[in-house]
Order: sequence, then C-alpha cells, then structure tokens
Amino acid sequence: SQQGEEDPQALSIQEGENATMNCSYKTSINNLQWYRQNSGRGLVHLILIRSNEREKHSGRLRVTLDTSKKSSSLLITASRAADTASYFCATPTGTASKLTFGTGTRLQVTL
Amino acid sequence: NAGVTQTPKFQVLKTGQSMTLQCAQDMNHNSMYWYRQDPGMGLRLIYYSASEGTTDKGEVPNGYNVSRLNKREFSLRLESAAPSQTSVYFCASRQPSGRFTDTQYFGPGTRLTVL
Repeated sequence: SQQGEEDPQALSIQEGENATMNCSYKTSINNLQWYRQNSGRGLVHLILIRSNEREKHSGRLRVTLDTSKKSSSLLITASRAADTASYFCATPTGTASKLTFGTGTRLQVTL
Repeated sequence: NAGVTQTPKFQVLKTGQSMTLQCAQDMNHNSMYWYRQDPGMGLRLIYYSASEGTTDKGEVPNGYNVSRLNKREFSLRLESAAPSQTSVYFCASRQPSGRFTDTQYFGPGTRLTVL
C-alpha cells in the first residue's frame, strides 16, 4: 500500500517558474523525505524534514510539513531544465526505517 | 566511493528461468533494501536486511528470495521468473546513524523483462 500520494501526477512549467508538488500520507511519522529520479536512473535524496519542523530550505528547494493535515509540499524555485525529473515523497516506518514511497510527480521544465 | 552498484543493468528472461540480481555498497551501511518500480506504482519494498545476517519480507516478497552475503552485498533471486516480475529493480542502503539516518542511497537499477 502507498503511504504517500503526490499531487499533481504530472506538472509542466517553463524555465524560471516555480514548481510546487504536494504529498499526503496516512500514518504518523518521524520524518518525511523527498527524492528525485531522473529518467532511467536511481533515486537521489533531496531533503529530509523532521516531524517537529514546519519548514526547511536547501538551495532552491523549500519543503513544508503539516503533521495535523498529514501533508507536505515541495517547492522548487526558479526551475531549470535540469530539474526535469520525477519527485517522490517517502516516509520511514517500522524497524530498519523501511521507506514507503508515494506514486510520484513527473515534472517537465521546458525552455 | 562507488556508492551502491547493481548488476546487471539490463536482463531479458524467459518465463521459468532463474536469475540473481547483485547489489553491493561501499559506504559501510548496515541496512540494505530491494525495491521494484512499476509504472504508476512508485517503489514497493520486496525484501530488506536490517543488518548483516538478517533478512525480512517487505510489501511484495512473493516469487523472490534474498541473501545478505556480507555487510557489503545483498542479492535478490528470482527462482522461476514470471511476466508479472517485469519491472525495474532498485537496491538501496541506509546510513547506520547520524543526522540523516533514515536517508537511503539508491543504485542505478536493473531493468528486467520476462517474456
């Protein structure tokens, strides 16, 4: 079963615009992570936000977490063509911090 | 450091054939994971190994077996491949401690087609 569900499933924007994608999850969490996957590649960790944090920044990335609504958002500012990828939220559960992934948002940034 | 490596990159099997997907990490991580990724489904956990010598089932273990050969290596075996196992398989490992202890590091994937 999917813990996280991303919204929208696909997003197409022009270079320089901001991209916002959302993630909802079902159970209580210690942290929530965002990963990027370029076409044909493995996933790369972008950012981790803990349950006691409401907002976190890393370069052009801004992540928010609302534990009362069980939701998170990822904002990519001033997007570039190189940001074209799929983005997944993931939450760790149980022993060994098994990650449960959402279905992903496919972002297309055009010139 | 190579990070997480997987072999092979691509494989085509016939129904009923067997094969082993290899994964190795050089980051001294304790935990390792196998996922499969199907279109529109995100990643689903097949098996994981919390530490050397232990393995446990994930969400979709049927049709698979694993071996944690040592701390570095974690292999996934398909004993009798079925078309439903056509997928992209990712191996991952996790840092044992520290600020980002839940972060996982992924290999490049193995694209498997079962005819």
